[in-house]
Amino acid sequence: AQTVTQSQPEMSVQEAETVTLSCTYDTSESDYYLFWYKQPPSRQMILVIRQEAYKQQNATENRFSVNFQKAAKSFSLKISDSQLGDAAMYFCAYRSAGDMRFGAGTRLTVKP
Amino acid sequence: KAGVTQTPRYLIKTRGQQVTLSCSPISGHRSVSWYQQTPGQGLQFLFEYFSETQRNKGNFPGRFSGRQFSNSRSEMNVSTLELGDSALYLCASSLAGSPPYEQYFGPGTRLTVT
Repeated sequence: AQTVTQSQPEMSVQEAETVTLSCTYDTSESDYYLFWYKQPPSRQMILVIRQEAYKQQNATENRFSVNFQKAAKSFSLKISDSQLGDAAMYFCAYRSAGDMRFGAGTRLTVKP
Repeated sequence: KAGVTQTPRYLIKTRGQQVTLSCSPISGHRSVSWYQQTPGQGLQFLFEYFSETQRNKGNFPGRFSGRQFSNSRSEMNVSTLELGDSALYLCASSLAGSPPYEQYFGPGTRLTVT
């Protein structure tokens, strides 16, 4: 079975600094997608960024970027210039045609 | 466009009862997925529907079932409720249930079983 592991239950970052959240996954599939979702305290899950496994180029969305290492099955999220509004639970997710799995989440605290 | 809506937002039920939760996807979205979120187990995939057909199913007992209507609205039903079914149930919709699989989540239904 595919698994998604987020080894950092909690992370903290100073406002305006950069933080990296880690995610590793296990799969035997060649065609899959990886996502980072953000769940603020209000509970509405929001898509942050998406990475297609067949693309070598790392995805970037404004202050959010990923480091996708396919051979290592690693998919980390970098948040640059952290803002107070970035405080949330962040979930790494794996999706293939027949499967959808989430990591346990990393709670990010942003200190002013 | 309106986002994904879920009703009710909060629900309290007693063990042994059954419950039906509803999800209305974003207009034009034809795929709906359901997830159970608990502090202990995290986010777990329940099932996915596309064009009224169940496409994928997670590892949950048969007490959990769902369906999708022709207007893409979806319901999930849990019969013979157990205390362990207390959770936040999230619904997510996507355009076609095919790559790139971008999902948009609703606010969830908080189910408490006593």
